[in-house]
Amino acid sequence: RKEVEQDPGPFNVPEGATVAFNCTYSNSASQSFFWYRQDCRKEPKLLMSVYSSGNEDGRFTAQLNRASQYISLLIRDSKLSDSATYLCVVGSYNTDKLIFGTGTRLQVFP
Amino acid sequence: SAVISQKPSRDICQRGTSLTIQCQVDSQVTMMFWYRQQPGQSLTLIATANQGSEATYESGFVIDKFPISRPNLTFSTLTVSNMSPEDSSIYLCSGGQAYEQYFGPGTRLTVT
Repeated sequence: RKEVEQDPGPFNVPEGATVAFNCTYSNSASQSFFWYRQDCRKEPKLLMSVYSSGNEDGRFTAQLNRASQYISLLIRDSKLSDSATYLCVVGSYNTDKLIFGTGTRLQVFP
Repeated sequence: SAVISQKPSRDICQRGTSLTIQCQVDSQVTMMFWYRQQPGQSLTLIATANQGSEATYESGFVIDKFPISRPNLTFSTLTVSNMSPEDSSIYLCSGGQAYEQYFGPGTRLTVT
């Protein structure tokens, strides 16, 4: 079983739609959780950290459910510029290593 | 935040040769890592570059194939040795403090 699992997609949604991505992780001792965004042929960039209490940054909302070992990302009012691959990332327990999921590809169309 | 540059940005190499990739951070960082991203895949960690000591390699990666140096807190190199077409990939370095990692733009390597 992979340490971090995501639905690879692609998710094809119209502009203005709301879309949600899910991710599960296998190590219950994991302490840190993130969503990264990777545009085609570019490096990953941190989108947001994920906290147990949930956190919101504009149109983006991230949630963490430790009991279910489940992380989500909600994007509201999708823009064409949101088209990218979204990577679920977990901080490895007791080290500073990041474990990347396979990514979920989002394509927003006009 | 940290700004990370890599050289070269891309290269085409013949099998059996070696390529050294450089990673420069604009500020001192605690942690530096090297990743590989094969086409259509996510990032796989190759190793943690330790300042002043041998790198720590992940399962499936060995020092003879991927020697790494990190002479100070802002610079690291990764060498891909005795290359084969299977080594064709994007190689990325990252740097930062603890989990707050920033990535370089990557080196696109093609082995023919």
